[in-house]
Amino acid sequence: ETGVTQTPRHLVMGMTNKKSLKCEQHLGHNAMYWYKQSAKKPLELMFVYNFKEQTENNSVPSRFSPECPNSSHLFLHLHTLQPEDSALYLCASSQSDGTGGYEQYFGPGTRLTVT
Amino acid sequence: GQNIDQPTEMTATEGAIVQINCTYQTSGFNGLFWYQQHAGEAPTFLSYNVLDGLEEKGRFSSFLSRSKGYSYLLLKELQMKDSASYLCAVRDSNYQLIWGAGTKLIIKP
Repeated sequence: ETGVTQTPRHLVMGMTNKKSLKCEQHLGHNAMYWYKQSAKKPLELMFVYNFKEQTENNSVPSRFSPECPNSSHLFLHLHTLQPEDSALYLCASSQSDGTGGYEQYFGPGTRLTVT
Repeated sequence: GQNIDQPTEMTATEGAIVQINCTYQTSGFNGLFWYQQHAGEAPTFLSYNVLDGLEEKGRFSSFLSRSKGYSYLLLKELQMKDSASYLCAVRDSNYQLIWGAGTKLIIKP
């Protein structure tokens, strides 16, 4: 595997389900990100991890719970989601020098549909 | 508030040149990025500007004017595969990326 991988690529879940999204980066980077992408809207940064420490949480509802066990893996745990949470969830990684990092490399995303 | 403005959609002809503009109002500035995103795929990095002027990379060039809060992405010798969305993002004083909604570029034969 190369670059940034995400699984699953597609997910349909009910509002009472619990599921997790997985991201893995094979680039040796030290920062990882979760974004939400909705149609015709800017990318919304959800969470940032630098050296496995969460450094950003942009007022994301508690039904989204991130986990970063090491610098190569990132999870997004989902529970009791709402239909408006349906979107493309993108994971990204970058090399960070403490000033925000360099360009970000994105995974292919998970297309989430909440029914 | 912080804001990035770019046109929603543009159309151009194969072989021609197109300029995609991006204006920004952010709390501080620590660099501007352009990304390309094909439908159903991940965004991929195109260019980075932190100083005023033009950065050229093959058929693609990116320009920055910090005093005007303005950037553009110039695509030359357009090919059908250039049909994609182009995202402008600015890194603010907190080193956080602020993203525009993207410009969908349609290339016609």
